[in-house]
Amino acid sequence: AQSVTQPDIHITVSEGASLELRCNYSYGATPYLFWYVQSPGQGLQLLLKYFSGDTLVQGIKGFEAEFKRSQSSFNLRKPSVHWSDAAEYFCAVAYVMDSNYQLIWGAGTKLIIKP
Amino acid sequence: EAQVTQNPRYLITVTGKKLTVTCSQNMNHEYMSWYRQDPGLGLRQIYYSMNVEVTDKGDVPEGYKVSRKEKRNFPLILESPSPNQTSLYFCASSPRRTVGKLFFGSGTQLSVL
Repeated sequence: AQSVTQPDIHITVSEGASLELRCNYSYGATPYLFWYVQSPGQGLQLLLKYFSGDTLVQGIKGFEAEFKRSQSSFNLRKPSVHWSDAAEYFCAVAYVMDSNYQLIWGAGTKLIIKP
Repeated sequence: EAQVTQNPRYLITVTGKKLTVTCSQNMNHEYMSWYRQDPGLGLRQIYYSMNVEVTDKGDVPEGYKVSRKEKRNFPLILESPSPNQTSLYFCASSPRRTVGKLFFGSGTQLSVL
């Protein structure tokens, strides 16, 4: 069965430090992978997506993610975090069937920024 | 401005009292979906719609109804709410051919007493 695991419920980093959020997926075919961000009191916003091609994808707000098929991972990174990055981050995988698709979501990782 | 609008933002109700949460999008998207978000569980899909008059169950449809009579609107109906439906609800939409690129509403925090 398809699944997405985000092993870290919370992560705390200092402002200006680098960040890596982990995401592992279980999916039989080539996955469509996504990272979304949810700022406090807001809906989710797409940060970046991977469909095919270059395994390092760039997103908005200075984020990037790397697809590693051998590790079934799609980790999110940022070289230097800002206080405004404090939010909850969700990884998702889409599985496509006929003309439809369904998104499977991870449980989320809450990012806390220390001043 | 392109957006997905949900109403109300907050709702407190009592067990058994029918309620409707509205969702409207102004981007002419074919695909619309409802999710509930609970701590530690991420997002779980309730229902989705690929187009007008086409709806399908997601992962947790029990206790919910939806309709898609117009392309822009996708209301979520709780005929007889129960406390286990206390949750944060999100509506989302996307163009049909854009897999996974969802536009989300701001959410509706529902409390059922």
